[in-house]
Amino acid sequence: QVQLRESGPGLVKPSETLSLTCTVSGGSISTYYWSWIRQPPGRGLEWIGYVYYPGSTKSNPSLKSRVTISLDTSKSQFSLKVTSLTAADTAVYYCARALAPSREIDYWGQGTLVTVS
Amino acid sequence: NFMLTQPHSVSESPGKTVTISCTGSSANIATNYVQWYQQRPGSAPTTVIYEDNQRPSGVPGRFSGSIDSSSNSASLTISGLKTEDEADYYCQSYDNFQGVVFGGGTKLTVL
Repeated sequence: QVQLRESGPGLVKPSETLSLTCTVSGGSISTYYWSWIRQPPGRGLEWIGYVYYPGSTKSNPSLKSRVTISLDTSKSQFSLKVTSLTAADTAVYYCARALAPSREIDYWGQGTLVTVS
Repeated sequence: NFMLTQPHSVSESPGKTVTISCTGSSANIATNYVQWYQQRPGSAPTTVIYEDNQRPSGVPGRFSGSIDSSSNSASLTISGLKTEDEADYYCQSYDNFQGVVFGGGTKLTVL
């Protein structure tokens, strides 16, 4: 059974950089597209970006200048960095998997709440 | 920018049928697959429809999806509504420039 688990700080200060890691178990990280998706409290889902082996990425144009996504196959992990944080970045951050960008997101992490304050 | 627009909320009685629309702003919505996710409070989304009209195993046949190219929209229909269907529903597709795109979400109330 594939499992994804996010890890990282729950509280970060404005103007600082958020770093989150997603650990994948039960499947190969060398296939599929690995996404970060966030959801501000009481609001909808926002796709942040994805990475796929060996390390190609695509990000939401609205966030592209502040986002870096990377893949570490040796640890079966992928990571997210978001710079220049503001309160608007407060959200539950999910990591997720899809077979292809246009296909179903079939596995999600449980999500981790990040508060910028 | 390619956007997917959903009604903010819908409500219907148990046993009835409800349809949630998802309208594409520009590009032909039929160009890429549309998925539908159900999200209950405090939980990650789960798939109820993928590839426009396919149901994952475990999702009841009461859930169905369709595409209408003439209106550039996708629809999620839930028949025989149950109180357990009360949740937020999101459509999702893909755009070559925008990447993965989600609709704004629809809150379904079953009352």
